[in-house]
Amino acid sequence: EPEVTQTPSHQVTQMGQEVILRCVPISNHLYFYWYRQILGQKVEFLVSFYNNEISEKSEIFDDQFSVERPDGSNFTLKIRSTKLEDSAMYFCASSESASSYNSPLHFGNGTRLTVT
Amino acid sequence: GNSVTQMEGPVTLSEEAFLTINCTYTATGYPSLFWYVQYPGEGLQLLLKATKADDKGSNKGFEATYRKETTSFHLEKGSVQVSDSAVYFCALSDRGSGTYKYIFGTGTRLKVLA
Repeated sequence: EPEVTQTPSHQVTQMGQEVILRCVPISNHLYFYWYRQILGQKVEFLVSFYNNEISEKSEIFDDQFSVERPDGSNFTLKIRSTKLEDSAMYFCASSESASSYNSPLHFGNGTRLTVT
Repeated sequence: GNSVTQMEGPVTLSEEAFLTINCTYTATGYPSLFWYVQYPGEGLQLLLKATKADDKGSNKGFEATYRKETTSFHLEKGSVQVSDSAVYFCALSDRGSGTYKYIFGTGTRLKVLA
């Protein structure tokens, strides 16, 4: 079964550094998402992306965050200047259509980001 | 705004015990409801879903019924196995400005002992 893949599985970075988290969504999917989960807390929506632009973003997704689909297969999340509170598990997801009725989200295994 | 509330874990059961994980929601309109499962070291996997009131989602022996009158979507399984040990997330779909985003509960860790 096709799956969403994320790399790296664990990223350690120093505060103030830039990080790029990478995702390869399922190949025929058109809608892409990033979520994050701070340890012990809820899985939170960050951003959705379709047709090479952001469809929706949460209040968490401030100017320090950006997303990009640099080629036909990758979908990246960049954090420009990491803060301690950015430490979390980041999940990429994709879906075939925008409608949750017909097409649920498929999640990757996540990238654990640790900011020191 | 829309929200999901799950019972706190961890839930520890013996093998073959009955499982209930409570989930209630607050939503405007008629969201779809989901249960996702996260096994150790893996991502979230869709377990089951229900798209309208009184629908019952089922998969792998798990069931949940969309109850509009009580705004609930409790997860049940008649006889759990050790392999069911995982974190279970209740979620609803929230239609934003064009795409759906999911709102998740905090997750409930289930541990099944042999």
